[in-house]
Amino acid sequence: EAQVTQNPRYLITVTGKKLTVTCSQNMNHEYMSWYRQDPGLGLRQIYYSMNVEVTDKGDVPEGYKVSRKEKRNFPLILESPSPNQTSLYFCASSPGGAGRRAQYFGPGTRLLVL
Amino acid sequence: KNEVEQSPQNLTAQEGEFITINCSYSVGISALHWLQQHPGGGIVSLFMLSSGKKKHGRLIATINIQEKHSSLHITASHPRDSAVYICAVRGRPANNDMRFGAGTRLTVKP
Repeated sequence: EAQVTQNPRYLITVTGKKLTVTCSQNMNHEYMSWYRQDPGLGLRQIYYSMNVEVTDKGDVPEGYKVSRKEKRNFPLILESPSPNQTSLYFCASSPGGAGRRAQYFGPGTRLLVL
Repeated sequence: KNEVEQSPQNLTAQEGEFITINCSYSVGISALHWLQQHPGGGIVSLFMLSSGKKKHGRLIATINIQEKHSSLHITASHPRDSAVYICAVRGRPANNDMRFGAGTRLTVKP
């Protein structure tokens, strides 16, 4: 089944404790992206990747890191999480660049930083 | 001001009604997407448009590039259409970032 998976789905952590949210797709898509969704602000792009070893900043990259060592995986790293990073996070992938084709979204990761 | 504006923010309809959700954007774009977010949180891509009109079942999406405006229509609405509908744009020049509207929460009552 074609899908984008994220882990964990729910996470409670404390300020400053490094964490990684994994994202994996099995569709051989070139483009992958991370978004966060906050009430009243909607979805905002954090980072995206056009292909292996090619990443770029979105709208709100501060406090986040990403890497794309393999085509299927695009982990989101919070080196020192802060309460303002409490949010719902989505990973997405699509063939080609953003907007050229429909994006497939992961189920979301709900993060609470205390 | 957000680059992508949606209206209305909230919409309540009776089953069977014709629904229209609007999206206006202020930047040049290469494509516009309509997304559906279910009450459980999952997001599904409904349409990608760069011109004209597309139809999938009871859903129709249109875009007017000159007016920088898109509409999503739902014919014969059903309670299972209740969801948040989100407009997203990919800007020009050919960059690869995506900008999103705040979403329209649709509730269809039986």
